[in-house]
Amino acid sequence: GAGVSQSPSNKVTEKGKDVELRCDPISGHTALYWYRQSLGQGLEFLIYFQGNSAPDKSGLPSDRFSAERTGGSVSTLTIQRTQQEDSAVYLCASSPIRQAGNEKLFFGSGTQLSVL
Amino acid sequence: DAKTTQPPSMDCAEGRAANLPCNHSTISGNEYVYWYRQIHSQGPQYIIHGLKNNETNEMASLIITEDRKSSTLILPHATLRDTAVYYCIVRGPNQGGKLIFGQGTELSVKP
Repeated sequence: GAGVSQSPSNKVTEKGKDVELRCDPISGHTALYWYRQSLGQGLEFLIYFQGNSAPDKSGLPSDRFSAERTGGSVSTLTIQRTQQEDSAVYLCASSPIRQAGNEKLFFGSGTQLSVL
Repeated sequence: DAKTTQPPSMDCAEGRAANLPCNHSTISGNEYVYWYRQIHSQGPQYIIHGLKNNETNEMASLIITEDRKSSTLILPHATLRDTAVYYCIVRGPNQGGKLIFGQGTELSVKP
């Protein structure tokens, strides 16, 4: 498959547990984004990776959230000590940056996280 | 990023053209206009983007006014599968990597 792949597609966890969400971007895409979408709400930017540059973490809601991108490819979003308000769909996107401001994002299908 | 304003919802009859407006009166000269859509329970999908000229692709046409303060996304022959939330976003090259989504327009295509 040539698209952005996210796993798992669904994750149910108990409050206080840690979770890891994975994103496999499209091969060759240098930019990777994480967003989340709570039920009935818009998309909330979380973090952005571009090549070897320092990530833009300005959207992470608390220090319980972190993300890394290994080898410029796969990314993992980690949520520690999950809370019920973390329940949402977590979406990953990648982009073949050619000219900043003139690129398009390709989204995965998301991970539905439910914190009980 | 320049702020955009879209109507919260619109209806369109199947087979007719859907014209979705977007106001971006504070747009800067180097900022692009992007359109994405999100069909229920799916990730957003890129539709089209442009800087100042009108653009057309297999999905839609983008009409940008001469002063660039507004634009219209046109779906020439809307189908039921085009029912989705449509997001208009303005972004330039000096604003980092993040694309900020607003509330969008919920388009309902009716038979």
